[in-house]
Amino acid sequence: GAVVSQHPSRVICKSGTSVKIECRSLDFQATTMFWYRQFPKQSLMLMATSNEGSKATYEQGVEKDKFLINHASLTLSTLTVTSAHPEDSSFYICSARDPSRKNTEAFFGQGTRLTVV
Amino acid sequence: DAKTTQPPSMDCAEGRAANLPCNHSTISGNEYVYWYRQIHSQGPQYIIHGLKNNETNEMASLIITEDRKSSTLILPHATLRDTAVYYCIVNYGGSQGNLIFGKGTKLSVKP
Repeated sequence: GAVVSQHPSRVICKSGTSVKIECRSLDFQATTMFWYRQFPKQSLMLMATSNEGSKATYEQGVEKDKFLINHASLTLSTLTVTSAHPEDSSFYICSARDPSRKNTEAFFGQGTRLTVV
Repeated sequence: DAKTTQPPSMDCAEGRAANLPCNHSTISGNEYVYWYRQIHSQGPQYIIHGLKNNETNEMASLIITEDRKSSTLILPHATLRDTAVYYCIVNYGGSQGNLIFGKGTKLSVKP
């Protein structure tokens, strides 16, 4: 079946550096992908919607200059956490649906555990 | 905001059926009910979804009330590996539509 793959699964970075997370749709072309963030013991919170060939749409309270999203191809979206700080440490998850199939489920990546030290 | 309400936690004995309820009283006529689960430190896993009719697959059954204001996810023979947070989500199902997660139900399957 359709699969969404995320990389890396785990990353540790120093404060002030930037980290890039990749999200790939392996079996279908995704014109839209979604990025979520999850803090410990909390639910997933939608951060932004990544649109192929156009600007991402960010949810209220999410800084677009800090969380850069690029969706340059139909199978790849990237989230770059710029100038990371310890409070950005979280579990980041992407998802996508296969647009060729109606009323289908969304597929989620494995998630990326970011730790900023 | 999530349009669903779920109990925060439930316990189930291994081998027994787990019945997880969900209220979605404001669901629209063309919104689907989706169920996902999340095992610790993993991405959410799709379980099942439905519109009006009850659905069954290899993982679970979904029972939707006639007025569609609530549903129940049934895991027929729960195992220890079914311990997870279960999320009930209503959504139009289109490829452009994101999923809004509520707090879910933490299901603990006990030996």
